[in-house]
Amino acid sequence: GIQVEQSPPDLILQEGANSTLRCNFSDSVNNLQWFHQNPWGQLINLFYIPSGTKQNGRLSATTVATERYSLLYISSSQTTDSGVYFCAVGDTGGFKTIFGAGTRLFVKA
Amino acid sequence: DAGITQSPRHKVTETGTPVTLRCHQTENHRYMYWYRQDPGHGLRLIHYSYGVKDTDKGEVSDGYSVSRSKTEDFLLTLESATSSQTSVYFCAISEFAMGGQKGSNVLTFGAGSRLTVL
Repeated sequence: GIQVEQSPPDLILQEGANSTLRCNFSDSVNNLQWFHQNPWGQLINLFYIPSGTKQNGRLSATTVATERYSLLYISSSQTTDSGVYFCAVGDTGGFKTIFGAGTRLFVKA
Repeated sequence: DAGITQSPRHKVTETGTPVTLRCHQTENHRYMYWYRQDPGHGLRLIHYSYGVKDTDKGEVSDGYSVSRSKTEDFLLTLESATSSQTSVYFCAISEFAMGGQKGSNVLTFGAGSRLTVL
């Protein structure tokens, strides 16, 4: 099956700093999503981005499907950005969405 | 949580006992999923459903069964719970939509159910 690798596994930032999270996947995928899990465990869909670039406020994401990777950019980080960021990809059938192990982000005030 | 309710939210049980977790949605979405989350593993797919009475296995289905008798409810059953099934279980829904040659499957998650098997 598809393998999804995220890096770095852990990241500590000072408030106001920028960061880039990476997601590599091993095979062609039907879709790609980024999620944020807050410290209370809630999972929020940030982006559905099978290809191209999208922006939502301080967050943006780029997927280069032909090279099998996606990047999530966080600019001017805030303490509320803390949590775990997951990349998830859909297999070619589209029904199964496979998650990476996540990047744990802590933003210091 | 976008019309997704998981119950119970917390449960402690003993090894060998049966456990059923319920996911209820009010969105009328066709697709429903059960994931488990463990440290270092992200979320792993247990089972999913693509319609009433239509289910299939995910990555880690051993020891679990599911049922979907109506659109809004998806049940996850541990027939005989083991300590390795201690985890946080998430239900998700989606409305799979085909667009051109690619499909989209945007997932929306419930709040999770924390299960401890002693």
